[in-house]
Amino acid sequence: DTEVTQTPKHLVMGMTNKKSLKCEQHMGHRAMYWYKQKAKKPPELMFVYSYEKLSINESVPSRFSPECPNSSLLNLHLHALQPEDSALYLCASSLGTSGGGDTQYFGPGTRLTVL
Amino acid sequence: AQSVTQLGSHVSVSEGALVLLRCNYSSSVPPYLFWYVQYPNQGLQLLLKYTSAATLVKGINGFEAEFKKSETSFHLTKPSAHMSDAAEYFCAVSYNAGNMLTFGGGTRLMVKP
Repeated sequence: DTEVTQTPKHLVMGMTNKKSLKCEQHMGHRAMYWYKQKAKKPPELMFVYSYEKLSINESVPSRFSPECPNSSLLNLHLHALQPEDSALYLCASSLGTSGGGDTQYFGPGTRLTVL
Repeated sequence: AQSVTQLGSHVSVSEGALVLLRCNYSSSVPPYLFWYVQYPNQGLQLLLKYTSAATLVKGINGFEAEFKKSETSFHLTKPSAHMSDAAEYFCAVSYNAGNMLTFGGGTRLMVKP
């Protein structure tokens, strides 16, 4: 099973709302990633968790707050977002082995619209 | 810094024609190379991956790619395009223990009937 699931599929929120995105995998992967993808652009890395610890934060604004409660689950908490944060948010996971070449498996994404 | 260049943001082919999507990387160290496909409003799906075991890599859906070190290229090909191949294709590279992916800008493949 090479499936990464993401919920919700679509999310519309106001600038004062608090919401969360959820990502789950049951492949035994120990690295999980959040990406942001704007229309007609490649994904941009936001955060990386390795063995449930935040290992990379690509200078993402604090209105995005990641959380990794366990090795299978990754959340992205959203608060006070701006309209320019509207995008497709993708989650990915990989084995987490060292040495490079780890294959990342992507979820279907959450389409976020900020009004 | 590592980079990936996909020549041609849009490629249009007729159904049944050869598909060729170009990818060049910049590095003096052999990289790991990936091709992903993204259908509208979906996530990225792995097509194939190069890990130095063989220079010609076969992937899903009839796609294959050849690693050419002398040309620093990893072009994606398919002998005969299907309408269902219409999508966005991303080439990506990783080099180090961090396994971070660097993506090319993407190529939108259009297939004409």
